[in-house]
Amino acid sequence: GQQVMQIPQYQHVQEGEDFTTYCNSSTTLSNIQWYKQRPGGHPVFLIQLVKSGEVKKQKRLTFQFGEAKKNSSLHITATQTTDVGTYFCAGRKSSSNTGKLIFGQGTTLQVKP
Amino acid sequence: ETGVTQSPTHLIKTRGQQVTLRCSSQSGHNTVSWYQQALGQGPQFIFQYYREEENGRGNFPPRFSGLQFPNYSSELNVNALELDDSALYLCASSLYRSSTDTQYFGPGTRLTVL
Repeated sequence: GQQVMQIPQYQHVQEGEDFTTYCNSSTTLSNIQWYKQRPGGHPVFLIQLVKSGEVKKQKRLTFQFGEAKKNSSLHITATQTTDVGTYFCAGRKSSSNTGKLIFGQGTTLQVKP
Repeated sequence: ETGVTQSPTHLIKTRGQQVTLRCSSQSGHNTVSWYQQALGQGPQFIFQYYREEENGRGNFPPRFSGLQFPNYSSELNVNALELDDSALYLCASSLYRSSTDTQYFGPGTRLTVL
């Protein structure tokens, strides 16, 4: 079945350092969504990418969707302690006519002050 | 806050019992999806309901069933509970049934099966 792989599983950074998580799908995606989950919380929607090669920015966060629509990345510039949490990518198959999202395993970010 | 609510927040059951979890979707949304999130894992799609009908199902056995009501709220029922059913159960609401709709998650129900 379709898989969405996410790396790394964990990342510890010093406050102020940059952070990147990568997401790869075994099949072409129609779109990809990114979520953030704080410890003990629920996934909170960050952004959706739809177009091949799309790049979107939200303040210090930069999201990219690959040209082949099979991979994506999230980059955080100058991390802050408020960035702590687990970041999930979630994609939909191009052929899907349902809302089924396939989630990656997530990357847990720890930021040392 | 997304406006998606779930009840109860926590639940403890024993193996073999049955459980019903509830979800109220965000105002204006007509689609509800249910996910199971085991500890340390990403959410796994259980099924989706649109206009009171099941619209897509993940790799879950038939003892996982659901309902959607005319007001778009939804229930997830799990029969014959197993220890592995212990997880955070999330519902997500969205508008319409399209490939680009954004799903907004509720706070989840933490189910523990003993």
